[in-house]
Parts: sequence; C-alpha cells; structure tokens
Amino acid sequence: EAQVTQNPRYLITVTGKKLTVTCSQNMNHEYMSWYRQDPGLGLRQIYYSMNVEVTDKGDVPEGYKVSRKEKRNFPLILESPSPNQTSLYFCAARDRGTHEQYFGPGTRLTVT
Amino acid sequence: AQSVSQHNHHVILSEAASLELGCNYSYGGTVNLFWYVQYPGQHLQLLLKYFSGDPLVKGIKGFEAEFIKSKFSFNLRKPSVQWSDTAEYFCAVNEGTGRRALTFGSGTRLQVQP
Repeated sequence: EAQVTQNPRYLITVTGKKLTVTCSQNMNHEYMSWYRQDPGLGLRQIYYSMNVEVTDKGDVPEGYKVSRKEKRNFPLILESPSPNQTSLYFCAARDRGTHEQYFGPGTRLTVT
Repeated sequence: AQSVSQHNHHVILSEAASLELGCNYSYGGTVNLFWYVQYPGQHLQLLLKYFSGDPLVKGIKGFEAEFIKSKFSFNLRKPSVQWSDTAEYFCAVNEGTGRRALTFGSGTRLQVQP
C-alpha cells in the first residue's frame, strides 16, 4: 500500500527546544515536500526536495530546515521553535509521472 | 508566481442540494489542476485532476470539475451532496511540467446538513 508516514502525530513543546518531525515514503518517489496548514491560509509549502541531496525553499521556509540523505526520508527540523510555528504539518511525496501527491497523516505541533 | 483563489470559504448545503465550488488560478502557461478533499481529522486525498484533454474531468465519489481555460477556472461540482461530503476542499495548481510545487487555494469548508 502506498504510504507516507509522519512521526510524531502530535507534539507539544516549548519555545527554543529543537525538534524533528520525521517523514518516510514507501513509493520510491523522487519529489517530496513539507507543508503547513493554517486556518484560512490553506497549505503553504515550506521546503521541497527534487531528489536525494537536492532541497529547496518553498513559500514559507523561515525557521525550518530539511535534509534528504535517503530517497525515502525527508525530516523537517525546527532548530528553535517559536509559537508562530504552531500549526498542522503535512509531508507529501509526488509521483513524477502522474503528478499526484500522496500526503502523510499530519503532525499537529503546538509551541508554547 | 502562480496563485489560486477559492472564493467560497464556508458553504452550507442541505443533503441532495447541488454543489459548485469556485477555483480560479493565475498562471499564463500550461497548468495541471487538482482538487483535494480533507475529511475532519484526516489528511488530504485526491478527488480529481486535470492535465490535458477533455476539460470535464470526473473524480471519485461523484465529483467532477470543468477546466475553462479562458476563465482560468477549475470549478468543482456535484449534482447531489450527501452528509458524508462534509469536509474541506482545496484546489491546487502547478505549472505544466510538474517540476514546480503545488500551489493551494485557501480551502472551502463544506457543511452538509442532513
């Protein structure tokens, strides 16, 4: 079954405490991305990766880092989280042929 | 840069009513168009997509959408909604080669009353 997994699903943390949200896909897709979803703003892309070791900024990259050392994994790193990063985060993997994006289940992050 | 506008932020319908959700995009070239649905507490799922060919595309669960190039629109329709269609609906676009990211609209929350 085609799947994108994210961990953790829920996280409450404090300002400044570094955290990592993992993302893994089993479809061998080259393209992966991270979005944040906020009420009234839809989904906004944070970072994307066209392939291993190839990453680039999306629309709202400030305060985030990513890495792509393996094709299946694309972790999102918040070095020093702040309350304005409280949001719902989705990882996605995209099929290069059909352009269809497969989304993970989401990670709800609260930064106090 | 491409952008997507969904003008209806919150729509309330009774069961069996017809649905049309608007989506307009701004991009002058060839585009790929998508509608995603997010049921409460779940992740986004693809409803339908348009790449080329017949501008009227049919998706899952009885949804369809029509691409009107001259109007830069890709409106979602369903003849008769059900309570189970209560969800948030997102229109998304990327340029034709697919190399760029998807740009999403702000979403439309649909509430279907029994």
